[in-house]
Amino acid sequence: EAGVAQSPRYKIIEKRQSVAFWCNPISGHATLYWYQQILGQGPKLLIQFQNNGVVDDSQLPKDRFSAERLKGVDSTLKIQPAKLEDSAVYLCASSVGRQGKSYEQYFGPGTRLTVT
Amino acid sequence: AQKVTQAQTEISVVEKEDVTLDCVYETRDTTYYLFWYKQPPSGELVFLIRRNSFDEQNEISGRYSWNFQKSTSSFNFTITASQVVDSAVYFCALSEVGTYKYIFGTGTRLKVLA
Repeated sequence: EAGVAQSPRYKIIEKRQSVAFWCNPISGHATLYWYQQILGQGPKLLIQFQNNGVVDDSQLPKDRFSAERLKGVDSTLKIQPAKLEDSAVYLCASSVGRQGKSYEQYFGPGTRLTVT
Repeated sequence: AQKVTQAQTEISVVEKEDVTLDCVYETRDTTYYLFWYKQPPSGELVFLIRRNSFDEQNEISGRYSWNFQKSTSSFNFTITASQVVDSAVYFCALSEVGTYKYIFGTGTRLKVLA
């Protein structure tokens, strides 16, 4: 079974530029998550999708971050304009997400973003 | 509010030693799930175990074992006879039933020296 795919793996941009990350979850997984992991910290949830609907985006800086999951499969996360503090690893994860249970999440390799 | 505390920032052991990683959690929910993940230097988080709040049985998987104690709100992870390949950052996480949302601890970096 293929795992969660993410691209690109690395990205270096200048502040105020824009960037987009792509995620393809495990086939059949209804729930998709985007996390931000700053060096030395645990992952922080940015947004959670259930199929193609947003379940939780309370920690997404909506003035600069946006995400979509068209057709309930692939997802893209965009930052525009980027700030220095956005330098982090952006992790995508997916899970079965059946009603009433919390299932394990499977993570992709992440995209390491450096903003200069 | 939910919270996960991993008080040990970094642990160093010599190969073949046993090591225990601590995890203490806070939640008002009576039904919840706990998880452990491993993050090796490659960066990808690897799922290790899921435990629900109604199952306090300890679990053993090879050299790994987990001790869940609701009375102390702890879910500790022990590696027996550690190996260099165990070197990684280990995260404990808590999840509310129904939201599928994880709250991660800050992680414990384990260094196993040859």
